[in-house]
Amino acid sequence: AQTVTQSQPEMSVQEAETVTLSCTYDTSESDYYLFWYKQPPSRQMILVIRQEAYKQQNATENRFSVNFQKAAKSFSLKISDSQLGDAAMYFCAYRSTPSLGAMEYGNKLVFGAGTILRVKS
Amino acid sequence: DTEVTQTPKHLVMGMTNKKSLKCEQHMGHRAMYWYKQKAKKPPELMFVYSYEKLSINESVPSRFSPECPNSSLLNLHLHALQPEDSALYLCASSQDPSRRQPQHFGDGTRLSIL
Repeated sequence: AQTVTQSQPEMSVQEAETVTLSCTYDTSESDYYLFWYKQPPSRQMILVIRQEAYKQQNATENRFSVNFQKAAKSFSLKISDSQLGDAAMYFCAYRSTPSLGAMEYGNKLVFGAGTILRVKS
Repeated sequence: DTEVTQTPKHLVMGMTNKKSLKCEQHMGHRAMYWYKQKAKKPPELMFVYSYEKLSINESVPSRFSPECPNSSLLNLHLHALQPEDSALYLCASSQDPSRRQPQHFGDGTRLSIL
C-alpha cells in the first residue's frame, strides 16, 4: 500500500519570503499522480498544484512550484513571495493511475498528515 | 466559490435522529466521494461512486448510508450516530475514474452529535 509522509507538522514564514513544505511517499508503482491541497480555516480543500509521475518537468502554478524527485520519492512544495492568504493546512496526496479491472483504485487519494503553514506579517 | 455544493453547512443532531447530507455538482463529473475529516487530520475516504454505482466502501459502519440518485447528486444518510462521528464531512467529485483529473472538494458539512 502507498503511504505519504509530511514530516513538518507546522511551518512559519515571513510575508514575502519563500517557504518549502516537504513530502515523501512510498510506492512500487511507476505511474501515478501527486497533488498538493490547501485547506484554510474556511475548510474547503483547494487544489494548489499537481504532478504526473511520468513528466520529468516540475509543475509550476504562479507562486507555487514543486521539486519532484522520482527516484527519491520526494515531492516538496515551494511557495514564493508568501502572502497572508497562504496561511492554511497543506496536504500532500498520492493517487494511483487507473488501470483496466481496477479503475476504482484510481479514485483513491492517499493523504499525508498535513503541515500547518503560518504566515507572519 | 466552490463548484461542489454541500448542504447543510452545519448540522447538530442527537444520537437517535435521522438526517441527510447533500452534495451537488454540475461539472459533468461521473465520480463522487464522501470523506470524513477530524480536526487537524487528513480526510479519510468513506465511499466512492463511479457512474452512480458504489465502487468503494471503506468498511464504513452501516449507520452511514450513501445514495447517488443521479450523476449530479450524492447523499449521505445518517442514523443512530455516535459522538465520535462528529467531524467535517467533505464531498468531492472528479471527471471519471479513467481520466487524469483531480478531485474537486466542497466546503463540507460540520456535523456535531449530541
